[in-house]
Amino acid sequence: GQQLNQSPQSMFIQEGEDVSMNCTSSSIFNTWLWYKQEPGEGPVLLIALYKAGELTSNGRLTAQFGITRKDSFLNISASIPSDVGIYFCAGIIQGAQKLVFGQGTRLTINP
Amino acid sequence: NAGVMQNPRHLVRRRGQEARLRCSPMKGHSHVYWYRQLPEEGLKFMVYLQKENIIDESGMPKERFSAEFPKEGPSILRIQQVVRGDSAAYFCASSLGQPNTGELFFGEGSRLTVL
Repeated sequence: GQQLNQSPQSMFIQEGEDVSMNCTSSSIFNTWLWYKQEPGEGPVLLIALYKAGELTSNGRLTAQFGITRKDSFLNISASIPSDVGIYFCAGIIQGAQKLVFGQGTRLTINP
Repeated sequence: NAGVMQNPRHLVRRRGQEARLRCSPMKGHSHVYWYRQLPEEGLKFMVYLQKENIIDESGMPKERFSAEFPKEGPSILRIQQVVRGDSAAYFCASSLGQPNTGELFFGEGSRLTVL
């Protein structure tokens, strides 16, 4: 199937630390998106990437579209308590019309 | 609120009943998607619709589930004869253009509990 492997599944960090998570696939993607979901809410779009090699920032968040078009990473610098949540990568496979999601990375921050 | 609107936010049904979930896309968006999320899991694609057309229903169970997006009014996800395994959060998303041209914006979800 169209699998996105997201890692790590969970992270427990101290406030102020940097965070890194990634998604990989055996399929080639045209688009990578990163979403954040908080309890009881829908996913909220953080960053969208459209070109291989593209590096995009949104405040303390930085994401890159891998050169091979089969992976992407998300970094969060200087984490703060409100960064807590589940982060999902999502992508659109070349030739497809649907967005597929990774399994999510649950971020917990100790103050 | 110009975002994607879903209702009801919470729905409780007994086994065998019908569940209807509604989604109004963002203003100007004509592409609608439905996803299902089980606890502690990611979102699983169900169906992609444009006005009056089903574009991709490859993620939709073959029985009991149907979706529509009429010319007027919200998109509806209908689950007939619900079973306990249908309990999940159902999210609707919309986009301005085709999915590979832009971002999908999600609603807050409808949480179905089947007793």
